Amino acid sequence: SQKIEQNSEALNIQEGKTATLTCNYTNYSPAYLQWYRQDPGRGPVFLLLIRENEKEKRKERLKVTFDTTLKQSLFHITASQPADSATYLCALAINEKLTFGTGTRLTIIP
Amino acid sequence: DSGVTQTPKHLITATGQRVTLRCSPRSGDLSVYWYQQSLDQGLQFLIQYYNGEERAKGNILERFSAQQFPDLHSELNLSSLELGDSALYFCASSVAAGAIQETQYFGPGTRLLVL
Repeated sequence: SQKIEQNSEALNIQEGKTATLTCNYTNYSPAYLQWYRQDPGRGPVFLLLIRENEKEKRKERLKVTFDTTLKQSLFHITASQPADSATYLCALAINEKLTFGTGTRLTIIP
Repeated sequence: DSGVTQTPKHLITATGQRVTLRCSPRSGDLSVYWYQQSLDQGLQFLIQYYNGEERAKGNILERFSAQQFPDLHSELNLSSLELGDSALYFCASSVAAGAIQETQYFGPGTRLLVL
């Protein structure tokens, strides 16, 4: 069965450092992978989409990589700020449905 | 603000009851998706409608049903409610039919508590 794992439930990073979140998947070859941010009690907000033929995508302080051989995506936030504290979800389109990972709760410590 | 609206924001009801959750997509979006988010299951896809027609189905229980109306708003009906149905229910919308390459815009959610 399809499985999407995000590296850890919670991650604490010092302000100013780079936060790196991991999304691993098995038994599937998605054409696209998306990353979303979710704040407590609110709906997820789309951040980035990366295609299988793109190795890396950037948007301001965010960077996503996609390694289809390792079946892994890495999500980086550089120069992290307390306002980046949230839960980050990766999502893969599997059988034309968006399947979400369980998320990583990121806390940026001032 | 994503442009997707959901009502009500909170809902408290009893086991065995039936409730209806409402969603209005962003202006111009033809697809509506419903998701359930609970602490133990994460964000689970339930069902998608595109321009009034059912497009894709996820792990939606038979007690749950949905529809999309001509004005493109959607309703999710939950019946014979059980304690385990307590969760956040999100609606999302996108321009076209394909989830694969499209951004989905999520609403603020409806928090359902079944007592």
